[in-house]
Amino acid sequence: DQQVKQNSPSLSVQEGRISILNCDYTNSMFDYFLWYKKYPAEGPTFLISISSIKDKNEDGRFTVFLNKSAKHLSLHIVPSQPGDSAVYFCAASGSSGGGADGLTFGKGTHLIIQP
Amino acid sequence: DSGVTQTPKHLITATGQRVTLRCSPRSGDLSVYWYQQSLDQGLQFLIQYYNGEERAKGNILERFSAQQFPDLHSELNLSSLELGDSALYFCASSPRGGWDIQYFGAGTRLSVL
Repeated sequence: DQQVKQNSPSLSVQEGRISILNCDYTNSMFDYFLWYKKYPAEGPTFLISISSIKDKNEDGRFTVFLNKSAKHLSLHIVPSQPGDSAVYFCAASGSSGGGADGLTFGKGTHLIIQP
Repeated sequence: DSGVTQTPKHLITATGQRVTLRCSPRSGDLSVYWYQQSLDQGLQFLIQYYNGEERAKGNILERFSAQQFPDLHSELNLSSLELGDSALYFCASSPRGGWDIQYFGAGTRLSVL
């Protein structure tokens, strides 16, 4: 049973526009969420995170929104740039600031930024 | 460069064999995590070590084992290999655990023929 779902395997967006990547989760014990970006032949690279006590976190062009009641989070990239083309993974953790847990990952969304 | 080093980059072996994957964490990080990425399953958490001790277990098969050494590097041992074990194996490290960000290595691609 997939506890973290990214329902769009791929997404194509024009350069300069907003990219919105979505993620749903089913486990109500998750309290920390992260987005990772992955280029071919490299490991995932941390992008941005959010804890369950917040509903928004912003870092430059990247903003993550968390809707706990809907068990949904989204990553907004504004404006989208060609270097943003990559696979984006949503990940979740049940650790509460000191617990021990591996991350549960979605299967990823391949974002393609069109010139 | 994440600072996490994994060797080897590629490994080709036969069914029934045993292999060892190695991971050196970022300087100062005490936690090491292992993940498996196969085509149909995505990234799956296998196991976490913290300062030499096993801390959390995920979907790790009994044929797989890991350890973390006093210098904090970690090894993942895969034995009695099957075709289905072909995957990318990633190591990640973090300062402690919990809400710490995990930094990933570039992975080891294992092909079992």
